[in-house]
Amino acid sequence: DAGITQSPRHKVTETGTPVTLRCHQTENHRYMYWYRQDPGHGLRLIHYSYGVKDTDKGEVSDGYSVSRSKTEDFLLTLESATSSQTSVYFCAISWDRDTEAFFGQGTRLTVV
Amino acid sequence: DAKTTQPNSMESNEEEPVHLPCNHSTISGTDYIHWYRQLPSQGPEYVIHGLTSNVNNRMASLAIAEDRKSSTLILHRATLRDAAVYYCILRGGSNYKLTFGKGTLLTVNP
Repeated sequence: DAGITQSPRHKVTETGTPVTLRCHQTENHRYMYWYRQDPGHGLRLIHYSYGVKDTDKGEVSDGYSVSRSKTEDFLLTLESATSSQTSVYFCAISWDRDTEAFFGQGTRLTVV
Repeated sequence: DAKTTQPNSMESNEEEPVHLPCNHSTISGTDYIHWYRQLPSQGPEYVIHGLTSNVNNRMASLAIAEDRKSSTLILHRATLRDAAVYYCILRGGSNYKLTFGKGTLLTVNP
């Protein structure tokens, strides 16, 4: 299995506070992705990266920003968390855009 | 982006084969057909992928139609652990994204 770690695994935060989720990989994969998963909506792509400092928006990027200053880390930031951002967040990595992707175990975020 | 169409749900009995269909009529020549599954309370996991030829691995087989407009994921002997949502996705070409549809919820009966 690819070495991919999400941190934290669980977090409870208050509305209006900034939150940063980290996705760390040890596989030197070029592509990294952030998703959120809510009941009834499946996996929705938030942002993705196709290289260091190369990122782009996904389907549901409003309220989220990302950064990738080095290959192994892809950070997802909620600048001012809202209750609608309560969700399970998954990170994924892949070597290339046509190769298999590997997913992290997820981060459960609750905004109260 | 090319789209895929899957049945919302399917049901199978334990130790029987399962054939999960996927239609992708707008597939391009450079798109690979990927399958992932998500078990309850877990992240998605890769199952198999292919371009034109049928593929086999320890988890499943992938049968790709000659015109590539459809494919079938085959689980040779379903177990209770195979109960999951199965996603068929097209990847490759100029598409950097990895986007998921609603997938097929597979129920395996004991």
